[in-house]
Amino acid sequence: GQNIDQPTEMTATEGAIVQINCTYQTSGFNGLFWYQQHAGEAPTFLSYNVLDGLEEKGRFSSFLSRSKGYSYLLLKELQMKDSASYLCAVRVSSGGSYIPTFGRGTSLIVHP
Amino acid sequence: GAVVSQHPSRVICKSGTSVKIECRSLDFQATTMFWYRQFPKKSLMLMATSNEGSKATYEQGVEKDKFLINHASLTLSTLTVTSAHPEDSSFYICSARESSGFSTDTQYFGPGTRLTVL
Repeated sequence: GQNIDQPTEMTATEGAIVQINCTYQTSGFNGLFWYQQHAGEAPTFLSYNVLDGLEEKGRFSSFLSRSKGYSYLLLKELQMKDSASYLCAVRVSSGGSYIPTFGRGTSLIVHP
Repeated sequence: GAVVSQHPSRVICKSGTSVKIECRSLDFQATTMFWYRQFPKKSLMLMATSNEGSKATYEQGVEKDKFLINHASLTLSTLTVTSAHPEDSSFYICSARESSGFSTDTQYFGPGTRLTVL
């Protein structure tokens, strides 16, 4: 089976930088996604990594190390609206299909 | 990005009735759609993978006779919760994968349906 681990909750200050880690153990790895989800809403896509390295997109960056089964999401210049749950999702290939598996999510609280 | 709609956004029903939830990809074709269930403050739990024109693949522990999935076209999948009970109350989210033939194949989520069974 798949195992995805990320911290349950993190807090940070407005304007600061925060790094949310995600570790995974899986077979048939075919990419890792990060999603943001505000309470009561559906997740929204943030980033996708399939090769090792850092992908930067504005204030958000995502890093992947396939050999270590490790990824992180980096949020810079934090804003209050960044308070949300951040979901790490690993996609595996299985029987010709790509199956996504989500971690429990990290609840990020940004305070003034 | 691509848009996925879900209808209804909220539904309240009596125990024993059936509820149908629609998931549509509005500006792209989705050969694969996923149905998730989410409890408060919990992560998404994949219920089933729906492929257009074939039977859905259910995850372990999900009753296929209770959660009927139909993926009749490349833009529409439906989830029917049959004989709903209060324990079926949850947030149901669908996602559609834009199959461009490239490796990205990003999932796009619908806005979710809040089901409350009285």
